[in-house]
Amino acid sequence: GESVGLHLPTLSVQEGDNSIINCAYSNSASDYFIWYKQESGKGPQFIIDIRSNMDKRQGQRVTVLLNKTVKHLSLQIAATQPGDSAVYFCADGAQSGGSNYKLTFGKGTLLTVNP
Amino acid sequence: DGGITQSPKYLFRKEGQNVTLSCEQNLNHDAMYWYRQDPGQGLRLIYYSQIVNDFQKGDIAEGYSVSREKKESFPLTVTSAQKNPTAFYLCASNTGTGNIQYFGAGTRLSVL
Repeated sequence: GESVGLHLPTLSVQEGDNSIINCAYSNSASDYFIWYKQESGKGPQFIIDIRSNMDKRQGQRVTVLLNKTVKHLSLQIAATQPGDSAVYFCADGAQSGGSNYKLTFGKGTLLTVNP
Repeated sequence: DGGITQSPKYLFRKEGQNVTLSCEQNLNHDAMYWYRQDPGQGLRLIYYSQIVNDFQKGDIAEGYSVSREKKESFPLTVTSAQKNPTAFYLCASNTGTGNIQYFGAGTRLSVL
């Protein structure tokens, strides 16, 4: 993830609409990308991940798109529900010794779903 | 929160005091991590450990210390040298070959 300043980007959508949350990363060596959802006062929850050998991956109501050329990642949420309201973080990773990835997190986007 | 327990949920530190945050996991994960989260910010890595009895500094290790004497446990001590300790602290773990990090519910540390 990249530094985008102290103010959290926000996205407000109507219930039932599709949401698209964007993220840019800066490390050309990153080959693993992951999205988390964090509700207020809780720890982040894993949503979906993707490796650099893929451009798109789909889960249940979510799709992640990866554009390595411009170092951009997006999370699409279909038929957004009030329960989807949270802060969404992207993270990118490059191997750092052994087989584990060290993740770099973006600052997050606050998604608000209006009923 | 899936098998990762952080305690306490809220913690208050007096000036000059060291405090220790607990992180326990029953997922049999090899690697464990500590992150700090400030309001409106992403997560910043403090320390991580890939195996028992070994750990490495992250991006903001100054003023913090850790130990990894058991696979299940990775306590974080916020020392008096950390002049701005107020934050939300998150512990995570993953398998030695996996990439998805699973997080605990966090500890919110405040200064009295």
